[in-house]
Amino acid sequence: GAVVSQHPSWVICKSGTSVKIECRSLDFQATTMFWYRQFPKQSLMLMATSNEGSKATYEQGVEKDKFLINHASLTLSTLTVTSAHPEDSSFYICSAKQGRLNEKLFFGSGTQLSVL
Amino acid sequence: RKEVEQDPGPFNVPEGATVAFNCTYSNSASQSFFWYRQDCRKEPKLLMSVYSSGNEDGRFTAQLNRASQYISLLIRDSKLSDSATYLCVVNRVNNAGNMLTFGGGTRLMVKP
Repeated sequence: GAVVSQHPSWVICKSGTSVKIECRSLDFQATTMFWYRQFPKQSLMLMATSNEGSKATYEQGVEKDKFLINHASLTLSTLTVTSAHPEDSSFYICSAKQGRLNEKLFFGSGTQLSVL
Repeated sequence: RKEVEQDPGPFNVPEGATVAFNCTYSNSASQSFFWYRQDCRKEPKLLMSVYSSGNEDGRFTAQLNRASQYISLLIRDSKLSDSATYLCVVNRVNNAGNMLTFGGGTRLMVKP
């Protein structure tokens, strides 16, 4: 099946630094990628939807200047958490799909971010 | 009201038990439905799609009731390895394409 690679798996950083998370579709072209955040014992919360070559669409309450999303190619999307703070500590997961009407999602393995 | 609602649990059951989860959705325009399984700090994995006629995959049975807007997942003969969080996912199509909404998840703990 299709594979989505997400890196890094975990990262610990100091407050105020920026962290970049990469999401790559390895064997298919991902026209759309999604970024989720998951706090402990909670479900996935969609942060933003990114389509290749266009600006990301952010969900209500998600600061676009804090969570920078770049989807420059059909196989790569990045999420940069800028000026991270302890409250940004969370599990971030990306997912990708082929085609606008394709329902099936392929998930990355997630990134555990801990901000000290 | 959340668009997709699930009882968070946890459901604590002994090995071999049968357990059922329900999930309700509020948008009648929802078109397709899925159950995902998520282990702690791992990505969700598709368990099964849910069809109107109901479908079965081994010990797992999923059913959809469009009139009442709920879907269910039945697990028979529970195994220790079934312990996980089960996410109900509802899909509808809008101008932007598919809109997948995740429920909050139901946590299952199967004990020896």
